[in-house]
Amino acid sequence: EPEVTQTPSHQVTQMGQEVILRCVPISNHLYFYWYRQILGQKVEFLVSFYNNEISEKSEIFDDQFSVERPDGSNFTLKIRSTKLEDSAMYFCASSEWNRFSYEQYFGPGTRLTVT
Amino acid sequence: GQQVMQIPQYQHVQEGEDFTTYCNSSTTLSNIQWYKQRPGGHPVFLIQLVKSGEVKKQKRLTFQFGEAKKNSSLHITATQTTDVGTYFCAGPSTGNQFYFGTGTSLTVIP
Repeated sequence: EPEVTQTPSHQVTQMGQEVILRCVPISNHLYFYWYRQILGQKVEFLVSFYNNEISEKSEIFDDQFSVERPDGSNFTLKIRSTKLEDSAMYFCASSEWNRFSYEQYFGPGTRLTVT
Repeated sequence: GQQVMQIPQYQHVQEGEDFTTYCNSSTTLSNIQWYKQRPGGHPVFLIQLVKSGEVKKQKRLTFQFGEAKKNSSLHITATQTTDVGTYFCAGPSTGNQFYFGTGTSLTVIP
């Protein structure tokens, strides 16, 4: 069964450093998403991406964040200058169609630890 | 902003007992989805409800969408240890974001 993959599984970085989290969505999916989950808390929407541009973004997704689809398969989340409060699990997801009215497939996540 | 609350936050049941989690949104939802997240895992889609008053069943799981499309419930009959995890409801807001509920963590005691 097709699945969303994410790398790395765990990233440790120092405060102020830039990090890039990588995702490979399911190949025939058109919508891509990033979510974050602080340990023990709910899943929070960050951004959705369609047709090579941001479709929606939350209040969390400020100027420190950016997303890119650098080629036909990868989808990346960049945090320019990490803060301690960016420590969380980051999940990438993709859906075949229709934004939030369709099943989203989540990747295994990248655990980001900012020290 | 929109809030999606779930109760209870935690539930411990003996294996074989039933379990229900309730989801309440501060605003009307066009649809509601349910996800399960096993400990240490990622959310996995269970089902989507779209119509007011809709009820769907998946084996021992029964999902309901309220008449006002602001609340939903998930009921598991005769829980098994494989049901362990956190159950999240989620839905799109009018502001074009996707909100997850606060989640209910289910522990099943064998």
